[in-house]
Amino acid sequence: EAGVAQSPRYKIIEKRQSVAFWCNPISGHATLYWYQQILGQGPKLLIQFQNNGVVDDSQLPKDRFSAERLKGVDSTLKIQPAKLEDSAVYLCASSHQGREILVNEQFFGPGTRLTVL
Amino acid sequence: KNQVEQSPQSLIILEGKNCTLQCNYTVSPFSNLRWYKQDTGRGPVSLTIMTFSENTKSNGRYTATLDADTKQSSLHITASQLSDSASYICVVKNSPRAGNNRKLIWGLGTSLAVNP
Repeated sequence: EAGVAQSPRYKIIEKRQSVAFWCNPISGHATLYWYQQILGQGPKLLIQFQNNGVVDDSQLPKDRFSAERLKGVDSTLKIQPAKLEDSAVYLCASSHQGREILVNEQFFGPGTRLTVL
Repeated sequence: KNQVEQSPQSLIILEGKNCTLQCNYTVSPFSNLRWYKQDTGRGPVSLTIMTFSENTKSNGRYTATLDADTKQSSLHITASQLSDSASYICVVKNSPRAGNNRKLIWGLGTSLAVNP
C-alpha cells in the first residue's frame, strides 16, 4: 500500500513570497490533515478535511494560509505571503475513517521542510 | 487545560540497553493515547494506540503502558538498536463527548539517541 505522498520535500523562499504544498493521501482515506511542526515542537494541526469538507480549521492563520481539497482526494496548502515564523515542516496525514470513529490512526507523509529567509 | 508532558526531554543510551520514556497528561475526557516515533526528516509513525481499558500494549521491542487513573503512560524500549534513535511523541485524543473540541493533544517528544 502506497503511503502519503507530499511535494516538494524542501522549499526555500524569501519572506512575502507565496508557496504551495501538495499532498496525496492513502487511497480510500476520507480524512486528511495538515500539520505545522516547528523545530523542537510537536505537530500543530492546521486544518482537517473530511472528504472535501473542512472539519476543523481553528488553528489555521486564515489571513495568510489557505487549503483546499476540491475532489476529496489530493489537497494543497498555500501560504501567501510567507513570514519568517512560517519556517517549519508541513506534514500531511490521512486516516481511513471519519471523526465518528473512536480510534482513528493517522498515517503521515514525509513532510515539506519550508525555510523562509 | 488539556496538556501532554513528556520526560525526559532528551536521552542518550548505549546500544543494547533498555530505556523508559514517560508521558503525563491532563486531557479530559480521555479517548485514547498514542505513541509515535519520528525519525529525523520524516513524518511520525504510529507505534501503539491504547484506549481507556488497555493497560499495556506491545509492538516488537516497544511496550507501552497506560494508567488512566493517574493519567500516566510509559514507553519501554528493550534491547535498543541504533535505528531507535528518533523523537518519541506521546499524543492524547479527547473523547467524542468533547463535542466540537475533539482533538489530538501532542507532547513535545523525547529525543532518544542510541550510541554504539
